Amino acid sequence: AQSVTQLGSHVSVSEGALVLLRCNYSSSVPPYLFWYVQYPNQGLQLLLKYTSAATLVKGINGFEAEFKKSETSFHLTKPSAHMSDAAEYFCAVSAAGGSNYKLTFGKGTLLTVNP
Amino acid sequence: EPEVTQTPSHQVTQMGQEVILRCVPISNHLYFYWYRQILGQKVEFLVSFYNNEISEKSEIFDDQFSVERPDGSNFTLKIRSTKLEDSAMYFCASESPPDTQYFGPGTRLTVL
Repeated sequence: AQSVTQLGSHVSVSEGALVLLRCNYSSSVPPYLFWYVQYPNQGLQLLLKYTSAATLVKGINGFEAEFKKSETSFHLTKPSAHMSDAAEYFCAVSAAGGSNYKLTFGKGTLLTVNP
Repeated sequence: EPEVTQTPSHQVTQMGQEVILRCVPISNHLYFYWYRQILGQKVEFLVSFYNNEISEKSEIFDDQFSVERPDGSNFTLKIRSTKLEDSAMYFCASESPPDTQYFGPGTRLTVL
């Protein structure tokens, strides 16, 4: 069984500040981990993914995340927030091994960026 | 850039009516999924589909739900007799190996 916990349903930062969105997972098998972003009235867009290669993964729009097995975490960071980063962010886990595995999502974190 | 499309964007129906939600996956993808998101809740897996059959389904996906890939391009989700609690955003996703699911924009289903 797999689960994801995202700490903080709402995170507010100032433009130019560090963005840190927290994700902890639980998995009985080696995991693949994903961050998706959802802009208003749009679908889910993949930001980045961990698939058992490098533990520090870089994604689009300057985001990165680090897989820490000992902490069962996959936190998302960006050094400097931009107004366009305002969206909802979802962490998800699947079983490692490739295709045809369902994603289990966290509840999401709404990021607001203040000018 | 290829993308997953879904129609309609918003569907309003009366309780007990049948609805069909349509998805056009990315053309060379092999694995297909439906997820749903009830307002204010997390995105939940419904069903996965590969090689013209269901690979896995959740406990939500009961006998009222069915999926079909009728013509090699569309992927549909049918709800036979809608209930109020079926009101949600329904997302289709498609995947080509190795491991990334691409999501459509969703269909908002409102059951009255």
